[in-house]
Parts: sequence; structure tokens; C-alpha cells
Amino acid sequence: QSVLTQPPSASGTPGQRVTISCSGGNSNIGSNTVDWYQQLPGTAPKLLIYGNNQRPSGVPDRFSGSKSGTSASLAISGLQSEDEADYYCAAWDDSLNGWVFGGGTKLTVL
Amino acid sequence: QVQLVQSGAEVKKPGASVKVSCKASGYIFTSYGISWVRQAPGQGLEWMGWISAYNGNTNYAQKFQGRVTMTTDTSTTTAYLELRSLRSDDTAVYYCARVSRFLEKGYYYYYMDVWGKGTTVTVSS
Repeated sequence: QSVLTQPPSASGTPGQRVTISCSGGNSNIGSNTVDWYQQLPGTAPKLLIYGNNQRPSGVPDRFSGSKSGTSASLAISGLQSEDEADYYCAAWDDSLNGWVFGGGTKLTVL
Repeated sequence: QVQLVQSGAEVKKPGASVKVSCKASGYIFTSYGISWVRQAPGQGLEWMGWISAYNGNTNYAQKFQGRVTMTTDTSTTTAYLELRSLRSDDTAVYYCARVSRFLEKGYYYYYMDVWGKGTTVTVSS
């Protein structure tokens, strides 16, 4: 059982906009910033968004993040076939004194 | 470029120990931390702990306390993860990740920005 809650799956067609939610509590998302990771099949996770809405250099601006209260969202616009991957949210948890992850969302591009 | 290169796959028997290495290059090693995250087959990501490469301070997830040791060797810019008393459910891919930080409204926030490719550890009798 993950501390952060994500939907197990999401889907969209090429060009569409999809959002993935991440729900937590006061000790994690409510108190700290949220990061998002993309994991393509058979590869290591890659940082997509940090600090709720900051994109590392090289990440397309099709990817955006937001946070409100104890929830966060990742939005992907102009969906492409290469976006098919697992997406994880993460945040520091003050009560657990460590990072916690969501269970992951498998994105399918139809 | 910033890179983390991990050691090769390991096969261990239950009760044994494993030590995984993570060699950093392309940045000032002591200016960042190293976090360890594992992923069991078909499962999600699980944070194990992290170590400051600056002073060696560690912070382990409660689940692994007493069974895990994280160290760094600044002379070789390498971080190590040792996990003892291995069980079959420790079978997983183990990732190291660089820990970076940014300052916002007077607070530092940390995130894992560069990841190694992972080391597969299989525990089987």
C-alpha cells in the first residue's frame, strides 16, 4: 500500500491531453514539494518534474506539474506514442522522515 | 556529463549480504547526496535511504534500519549500499540516484535528479 495514491492506469490518443493525479496527506504533499518520474519499459526512472512544477533541462514543455493542498497532478499535452510509460509521483514525508512514492500509473497511448 | 554507473547483477542465497556500488562522475561528488531506491519485479518504487556525500550522514527508511548500511568513498566518488540478512523478497532492481536541492521561500527542498541504470539482485536458494 503506497503512501501516495495514483490511479493504476491512464490512456489517451495521440495529440490528446491527459492528466495523472497523486493524492497524499499533510505530512507529505501538504508540507513538501512533489516530483514526478517517468519510467519507460525496462529502464531506470527519469526525473520529469521537480518542485511541483519545475522541468529539468531537456524535458519537453508538453509535461507540466501542479499542486494544490494535499494533491498534485501531472499533465501531458500533445500525447505521443513515446510517452507510453509508468509515471510515479514522490514527496518527502515529514512523519516518516523519508521519501514516499505513489504506486505508479501506467500510461497507454491508444 | 553527469553519470552514475552501478555494479553488475548479483545472485545471493537467503541470509547472505550484498554490496552494490554506484560510481559518480561529471559533477562535484561531495556537493550532493546519494539516495537508494529499489523496485521488486512488477512493483513500484521503494525508497531505502540516502547519504550525504559531504559528511557521510545517513537517513534510512525505518523498514531497512538495522539491515542496511550506506557509505561513500570520496577518493573514488563511489557510493555503496550493503544489505544484510537477505530474503527472497529482497529480489529487486536497486537504483542509486543523485540528490539535488533547491531553495524556495527560505527552505531547501530535495529531489532525485540523476539515476543509475540499476543493479539486479536475485535472492534464491
